[in-house]
Amino acid sequence: SQQGEEDPQALSIQEGENATMNCSYKTSINNLQWYRQNSGRGLVHLILIRSNEREKHSGRLRVTLDTSKKSSSLLITASRAADTASYFCATDAKGSSNTGKLIFGQGTTLQVKP
Amino acid sequence: KAGVTQTPRYLIKTRGQQVTLSCSPISGHRSVSWYQQTPGQGLQFLFEYFSETQRNKGNFPGRFSGRQFSNSRSEMNVSTLELGDSALYLCASSRNRQGGRNTEAFFGQGTRLTVV
Repeated sequence: SQQGEEDPQALSIQEGENATMNCSYKTSINNLQWYRQNSGRGLVHLILIRSNEREKHSGRLRVTLDTSKKSSSLLITASRAADTASYFCATDAKGSSNTGKLIFGQGTTLQVKP
Repeated sequence: KAGVTQTPRYLIKTRGQQVTLSCSPISGHRSVSWYQQTPGQGLQFLFEYFSETQRNKGNFPGRFSGRQFSNSRSEMNVSTLELGDSALYLCASSRNRQGGRNTEAFFGQGTRLTVV
Protein backbone atom coordinates (compact mmCIF):
# COMPACT_ATOMS: atom_id res chain seq x y z
CA SER A 1 0.00 0.00 0.00
CA GLN A 2 1.09 3.56 -0.55
CA GLN A 3 2.82 4.95 2.48
CA GLY A 4 3.10 8.56 1.43
CA GLU A 5 0.28 11.02 1.15
CA GLU A 6 0.84 14.35 -0.52
CA ASP A 7 -0.90 17.61 -0.09
CA PRO A 8 -2.16 19.42 -2.03
CA GLN A 9 -3.01 17.10 -4.92
CA ALA A 10 -2.86 20.04 -7.30
CA LEU A 11 -1.34 23.49 -7.06
CA SER A 12 -1.51 26.38 -9.50
CA ILE A 13 0.65 29.47 -9.03
CA GLN A 14 2.11 32.37 -10.99
CA GLU A 15 5.69 32.46 -12.13
CA GLY A 16 7.91 33.97 -9.44
CA GLU A 17 5.78 32.73 -6.56
CA ASN A 18 6.86 30.04 -4.14
CA ALA A 19 5.34 26.56 -4.16
CA THR A 20 5.08 24.36 -1.10
CA MET A 21 4.18 20.69 -1.19
CA ASN A 22 3.74 18.43 1.80
CA CYS A 23 4.23 14.73 2.26
CA SER A 24 3.21 12.50 5.14
CA TYR A 25 4.21 8.91 5.74
CA LYS A 26 3.27 6.18 8.15
CA THR A 27 6.30 4.25 9.38
CA SER A 28 9.83 5.02 10.52
CA ILE A 29 12.12 5.72 7.62
CA ASN A 30 15.81 5.72 6.71
CA ASN A 31 15.50 8.59 4.26
CA LEU A 32 13.03 10.49 2.13
CA GLN A 33 13.51 11.53 -1.47
CA TRP A 34 11.70 13.98 -3.71
CA TYR A 35 11.24 13.44 -7.43
CA ARG A 36 9.82 15.41 -10.34
CA GLN A 37 7.98 13.90 -13.29
CA ASN A 38 7.08 15.69 -16.49
CA SER A 39 4.04 14.45 -18.42
CA GLY A 40 4.28 10.72 -17.73
CA ARG A 41 7.99 10.53 -18.40
CA GLY A 42 10.73 9.28 -16.13
CA LEU A 43 11.29 10.52 -12.60
CA VAL A 44 14.02 13.06 -12.01
CA HIS A 45 15.72 12.88 -8.63
CA LEU A 46 15.63 16.22 -6.81
CA ILE A 47 16.91 15.70 -3.30
CA LEU A 48 17.43 13.09 -0.59
CA ILE A 49 17.14 13.88 3.11
CA ARG A 50 18.16 11.38 5.75
CA SER A 51 16.14 10.65 8.85
CA ASN A 52 18.71 12.41 11.05
CA GLU A 53 18.54 15.61 8.99
CA ARG A 54 15.97 18.34 9.47
CA GLU A 55 16.54 20.58 6.48
CA LYS A 56 18.34 20.45 3.18
CA HIS A 57 18.82 22.92 0.33
CA SER A 58 19.60 22.48 -3.33
CA GLY A 59 19.42 25.54 -5.52
CA ARG A 60 15.84 26.84 -5.37
CA LEU A 61 14.70 23.76 -3.46
CA ARG A 62 14.35 23.51 0.28
CA VAL A 63 13.26 20.30 1.95
CA THR A 64 12.35 19.86 5.59
CA LEU A 65 11.79 16.65 7.48
CA ASP A 66 9.96 16.23 10.77
CA THR A 67 10.26 12.61 11.85
CA SER A 68 8.15 13.20 14.97
CA LYS A 69 5.23 14.19 12.73
CA LYS A 70 6.26 11.81 9.95
CA SER A 71 6.08 14.60 7.42
CA SER A 72 8.22 16.46 4.92
CA SER A 73 7.79 19.55 2.83
CA LEU A 74 9.30 20.67 -0.45
CA LEU A 75 9.56 24.38 -1.13
CA ILE A 76 10.36 25.65 -4.60
CA THR A 77 11.25 29.34 -4.51
CA ALA A 78 10.85 31.81 -7.37
CA SER A 79 9.03 29.25 -9.49
CA ARG A 80 9.36 29.14 -13.27
CA ALA A 81 7.07 27.79 -15.98
CA ALA A 82 9.60 24.96 -16.45
CA ASP A 83 8.83 23.79 -12.90
CA THR A 84 5.40 22.65 -14.10
CA ALA A 85 5.37 18.93 -13.32
CA SER A 86 4.22 16.34 -10.83
CA TYR A 87 6.24 16.04 -7.64
CA PHE A 88 6.51 12.86 -5.60
CA CYS A 89 7.95 12.01 -2.25
CA ALA A 90 9.36 8.53 -1.73
CA THR A 91 10.45 6.81 1.43
CA ASP A 92 12.27 3.64 2.32
CA ALA A 93 10.95 2.18 5.51
CA LYS A 94 13.23 0.98 8.27
CA GLY A 95 13.51 -2.75 8.17
CA SER A 96 13.73 -2.74 4.40
CA SER A 97 17.03 -0.90 4.34
CA ASN A 98 19.21 -1.64 1.37
CA THR A 99 16.54 -3.52 -0.49
CA GLY A 100 15.89 -0.73 -2.97
CA LYS A 101 12.20 -0.45 -2.27
CA LEU A 102 10.77 3.05 -2.38
CA ILE A 103 7.21 3.82 -1.37
CA PHE A 104 5.74 6.75 -3.24
CA GLY A 105 3.07 9.25 -2.43
CA GLN A 106 0.31 10.04 -4.91
CA GLY A 107 2.07 13.20 -5.97
CA THR A 108 1.32 16.90 -6.27
CA THR A 109 0.66 18.33 -9.70
CA LEU A 110 2.16 21.79 -9.93
CA GLN A 111 1.22 24.25 -12.64
CA VAL A 112 3.26 27.43 -12.92
CA LYS A 113 1.61 30.03 -15.11
CA PRO A 114 3.87 32.40 -17.04
CA LYS B 1 27.93 9.34 -17.39
CA ALA B 2 25.01 7.78 -19.26
CA GLY B 3 21.73 7.59 -17.38
CA VAL B 4 19.38 4.68 -16.94
CA THR B 5 18.24 3.36 -20.30
CA GLN B 6 14.99 1.53 -20.80
CA THR B 7 13.90 -0.20 -23.99
CA PRO B 8 11.59 -0.14 -25.73
CA ARG B 9 9.97 3.22 -24.98
CA TYR B 10 6.56 2.20 -26.25
CA LEU B 11 4.93 -1.17 -26.69
CA ILE B 12 1.50 -2.37 -27.74
CA LYS B 13 0.56 -5.94 -26.95
CA THR B 14 -2.56 -8.08 -27.11
CA ARG B 15 -4.19 -9.69 -24.09
CA GLY B 16 -2.69 -13.08 -23.37
CA GLN B 17 0.68 -12.27 -24.87
CA GLN B 18 3.86 -11.85 -22.90
CA VAL B 19 6.32 -8.98 -22.89
CA THR B 20 9.93 -8.39 -21.87
CA LEU B 21 11.23 -4.99 -20.88
CA SER B 22 14.88 -4.10 -20.56
CA CYS B 23 16.80 -1.77 -18.29
CA SER B 24 20.45 -0.77 -18.38
CA PRO B 25 21.51 0.90 -15.13
CA ILE B 26 24.05 3.63 -14.62
CA SER B 27 27.57 2.26 -14.83
CA GLY B 28 28.71 1.09 -11.40
CA HIS B 29 25.20 0.75 -10.01
CA ARG B 30 24.42 -2.76 -8.91
CA SER B 31 20.88 -2.28 -7.62
CA VAL B 32 18.00 -2.19 -10.09
CA SER B 33 14.38 -1.71 -9.06
CA TRP B 34 11.21 -1.82 -11.13
CA TYR B 35 8.01 0.15 -10.61
CA GLN B 36 4.61 0.21 -12.24
CA GLN B 37 2.82 3.54 -12.60
CA THR B 38 -0.89 3.78 -13.35
CA PRO B 39 -3.35 6.66 -12.89
CA GLY B 40 -5.35 4.67 -10.37
CA GLN B 41 -2.65 3.05 -8.24
CA GLY B 42 0.20 5.50 -8.67
CA LEU B 43 3.77 4.26 -8.42
CA GLN B 44 4.06 0.75 -7.06
CA PHE B 45 7.17 -1.26 -6.36
CA LEU B 46 7.54 -4.48 -8.34
CA PHE B 47 10.92 -5.92 -7.34
CA GLU B 48 14.55 -5.11 -6.76
CA TYR B 49 17.70 -6.91 -7.84
CA PHE B 50 21.22 -6.67 -6.54
CA SER B 51 24.11 -8.70 -7.92
CA GLU B 52 21.75 -10.95 -9.86
CA THR B 53 19.64 -11.75 -6.78
CA GLN B 54 16.10 -10.60 -6.11
CA ARG B 55 16.22 -8.96 -2.69
CA ASN B 56 12.72 -7.61 -2.43
CA LYS B 57 9.41 -8.11 -4.13
CA GLY B 58 6.22 -6.09 -4.20
CA ASN B 59 2.66 -7.31 -4.08
CA PHE B 60 2.20 -8.36 -7.69
CA PRO B 61 1.06 -11.69 -9.13
CA GLY B 62 3.53 -14.29 -10.31
CA ARG B 63 2.95 -13.22 -13.91
CA PHE B 64 5.41 -10.45 -13.17
CA SER B 65 8.98 -11.65 -13.00
CA GLY B 66 12.43 -10.29 -13.50
CA ARG B 67 16.09 -11.07 -13.59
CA GLN B 68 19.43 -9.35 -13.49
CA PHE B 69 22.53 -10.23 -15.44
CA SER B 70 26.15 -10.15 -14.37
CA ASN B 71 26.61 -6.72 -15.99
CA SER B 72 23.72 -5.42 -13.81
CA ARG B 73 21.36 -5.04 -16.75
CA SER B 74 17.88 -6.17 -15.83
CA GLU B 75 14.81 -7.45 -17.58
CA MET B 76 11.26 -7.79 -16.41
CA ASN B 77 8.73 -10.09 -17.96
CA VAL B 78 4.97 -10.05 -17.81
CA SER B 79 3.20 -13.16 -19.02
CA THR B 80 -0.44 -13.61 -19.98
CA LEU B 81 -1.01 -9.90 -20.30
CA GLU B 82 -4.22 -8.37 -19.01
CA LEU B 83 -5.79 -5.03 -19.90
CA GLY B 84 -4.97 -3.82 -16.40
CA ASP B 85 -1.26 -4.29 -17.04
CA SER B 86 -1.32 -1.20 -19.25
CA ALA B 87 1.00 1.18 -17.46
CA LEU B 88 4.27 3.06 -17.47
CA TYR B 89 6.99 0.70 -16.24
CA LEU B 90 9.92 2.47 -14.66
CA CYS B 91 13.33 1.14 -13.81
CA ALA B 92 15.64 2.72 -11.27
CA SER B 93 19.26 2.10 -10.46
CA SER B 94 21.26 3.03 -7.40
CA ARG B 95 24.59 2.43 -5.73
CA ASN B 96 22.92 0.61 -2.84
CA ARG B 97 25.49 -1.73 -1.41
CA GLN B 98 25.04 -4.88 0.58
CA GLY B 99 24.66 -3.74 4.16
CA GLY B 100 24.88 -0.08 3.25
CA ARG B 101 22.33 2.67 3.48
CA ASN B 102 19.97 3.39 0.64
CA THR B 103 21.20 6.07 -1.73
CA GLU B 104 19.58 8.11 -4.43
CA ALA B 105 17.65 6.14 -7.04
CA PHE B 106 17.88 7.31 -10.64
CA PHE B 107 15.07 6.48 -13.01
CA GLY B 108 14.89 5.76 -16.70
CA GLN B 109 12.34 7.30 -19.05
CA GLY B 110 10.11 4.26 -18.72
CA THR B 111 8.38 1.89 -21.09
CA ARG B 112 4.78 2.72 -21.90
CA LEU B 113 2.96 -0.61 -22.27
CA THR B 114 -0.51 -0.68 -23.76
CA VAL B 115 -2.46 -3.93 -23.69
CA VAL B 116 -5.35 -4.15 -26.14
